[in-house]
Amino acid sequence: NAGVTQTPKFRVLKTGQSMTLLCAQDMNHEYMYWYRQDPGMGLRLIHYSVGEGTTAKGEVPDGYNVSRLKKQNFLLGLESAAPSQTSVYFCASSYTRNQPQHFGDGTRLSIL
Amino acid sequence: AQSVTQPDIHITVSEGASLELRCNYSYGATPYLFWYVQSPGQGLQLLLKYFSGDTLVQGIKGFEAEFKRSQSSFNLRKPSVHWSDAAEYFCAVDSNTGNQFYFGTGTSLTVIP
Repeated sequence: NAGVTQTPKFRVLKTGQSMTLLCAQDMNHEYMYWYRQDPGMGLRLIHYSVGEGTTAKGEVPDGYNVSRLKKQNFLLGLESAAPSQTSVYFCASSYTRNQPQHFGDGTRLSIL
Repeated sequence: AQSVTQPDIHITVSEGASLELRCNYSYGATPYLFWYVQSPGQGLQLLLKYFSGDTLVQGIKGFEAEFKRSQSSFNLRKPSVHWSDAAEYFCAVDSNTGNQFYFGTGTSLTVIP
């Protein structure tokens, strides 16, 4: 029972490079979320999706794009990475918006 | 503006002592309330949630939380802390309107023998 799986677990990028973080869930959840976690700031919502083919902006969406082409996958893209995007990124999913979220183990991203 | 406040950045308690972690929120209506725990290097795990009804809710690992509307608070408690409870604790709020979900900044718990 995998739950929520994030790929990769660690990554180091140079400023200006692009990359995609992958989140996969096997619980048939409708809602999926991407957060970033920074020291002293808790978790902040970047983007979320309420179902296949839908995406919406969260609290801190600038510099990120997302796609939800399949219900089980939610991709987070950085088109031109900046040092300010150095963070730990968490993906989560839930059955509906008010149900508890299930989290992946995170992706630690460093941008030099 | 909607917000979630955890006023204690770090708390240290002795093993076996009682614990209370504070959480305050600012919303017009009663939101949905959650407490999550995060162990080092891992994602968040749900401890308990409050949607409606009985204001004292029980969660996993012996935790409980009480919703107090008059104080806009949802404090987490445990009667007797175990060394394995050392972790980061996050209060979270779903405003029940719009499509946003907010976490507090977290409280780091250290348990000493």
